[in-house]
Amino acid sequence: GAGVSQSPRYKVAKRGQDVALRCDPISGHVSLFWYQQALGQGPEFLTYFQNEAQLDKSGLPSDRFFAERPEGSVSTLKIQRTQQEDSAVYLCASSSGQGYIDEQFFGPGTRLTVL
Amino acid sequence: KQEVTQIPAALSVPEGENLVLNCSFTDSAIYNLQWFRQDPGKGLTSLLLIQSSQREQTSGRLNASLDKSSGRSTLYIAASQPGDSATYLCAGEYSGAGSYQLTFGKGTKLSVIP
Repeated sequence: GAGVSQSPRYKVAKRGQDVALRCDPISGHVSLFWYQQALGQGPEFLTYFQNEAQLDKSGLPSDRFFAERPEGSVSTLKIQRTQQEDSAVYLCASSSGQGYIDEQFFGPGTRLTVL
Repeated sequence: KQEVTQIPAALSVPEGENLVLNCSFTDSAIYNLQWFRQDPGKGLTSLLLIQSSQREQTSGRLNASLDKSSGRSTLYIAASQPGDSATYLCAGEYSGAGSYQLTFGKGTKLSVIP
């Protein structure tokens, strides 16, 4: 596709439910990033994939958060036993290269609300 | 831990005015500096990327500068228009635990009044 796409755009979950958020990066992009943006804040890094390898998961806030990219294209961010503090916009970004100086292109985000 | 600060948090200007948005960062070991625009309920649109070896980049009415020694970047918007109203975010790219990740400021919310 022309850009990064994410689905669903909005998700409402009851506390304790599991959710799965999908990201389709720009075709051919090697690098994929997940960020979390709380209301009124800038995005914060969660995790990074280079192709199918998850090279950095230092930003994941707890072991309830899990991400995968099994075939090196589409990625899924899963949150188990959701809590109210998980409410945020989850942004996915992709870039063409493997290192720095690569411009990151962002998707529209998934707004998660946990009741 | 790297920190990126943006001042002011909000700015309101009349249409046609030139304006400057400020961004400061604590860690000079930055690989590049990227400016984004975010419209309400939308994702981030990349505006300009300045590599650490560069001092500025220009695109249309936008000009961004980078001064690593002072830890500052500015985004200059010429002849502002109501369509420029949005939140502007700056982000520094740093080497992390296994990736080159972006550290963002909280943004400056710009309102251009017709």
